Amino acid sequence: KNEVEQSPQNLTAQEGEFITINCSYSVGISALHWLQQHPGGGIVSLFMLSSGKKKHGRLIATINIQEKHSSLHITASHPRDSAVYICAAGGSNYQLIWGAGTKLIIKP
Amino acid sequence: NAGVMQNPRHLVRRRGQEARLRCSPVKGHSHVYWYRQLPEEGLKFMVYLQKENIIDESGMPKERFSAEFPKEGPSILRIQQVVRGDSAAYFCASSLNIYEQYFGPGTRLTVT
Repeated sequence: KNEVEQSPQNLTAQEGEFITINCSYSVGISALHWLQQHPGGGIVSLFMLSSGKKKHGRLIATINIQEKHSSLHITASHPRDSAVYICAAGGSNYQLIWGAGTKLIIKP
Repeated sequence: NAGVMQNPRHLVRRRGQEARLRCSPVKGHSHVYWYRQLPEEGLKFMVYLQKENIIDESGMPKERFSAEFPKEGPSILRIQQVVRGDSAAYFCASSLNIYEQYFGPGTRLTVT
């Protein structure tokens, strides 16, 4: 079992749908990162969370430390949201433990 | 991306040439990390540097690869005598402390 598990691996949805991507981890963390990578493109840091909830535009990230679970939500999804979303757990040192990524496709 | 800059964004080199990738961290950040992403794979840690020091280079190939983060100027990842297998996206991240890493947009290296 991987220390950081993401689900689903692949997600296809229609424009406008509410999207949820999940990340469960089994290690102690100091921060959990959500990142976005477009095909052939760079990586964008979306959120760094150590507790609670953060919101940026249509993106919302939550984390439950007790349950060792984080979710990334996208409201009113749009085709430009199509990308790979990656969660990575930061522990007591600088090494990040990477999830495998969730490939999201939003159809118009 | 909180201000991490990488250049060039795309770099094409012939086999045997040298590749120099630059990373300018967020202003005030003294920790820099380099990651490599091979095609269709996830990011893999290469090296962690603080100003003028290599802290951990356990993920970096022993030959042809080197990294530095001088007192002044950007961090440099240098690949000598590039081979086709070096074709990848190279990302750097910077942080003020070891816990929060801000990622740059990456440099896509193509070796022909």
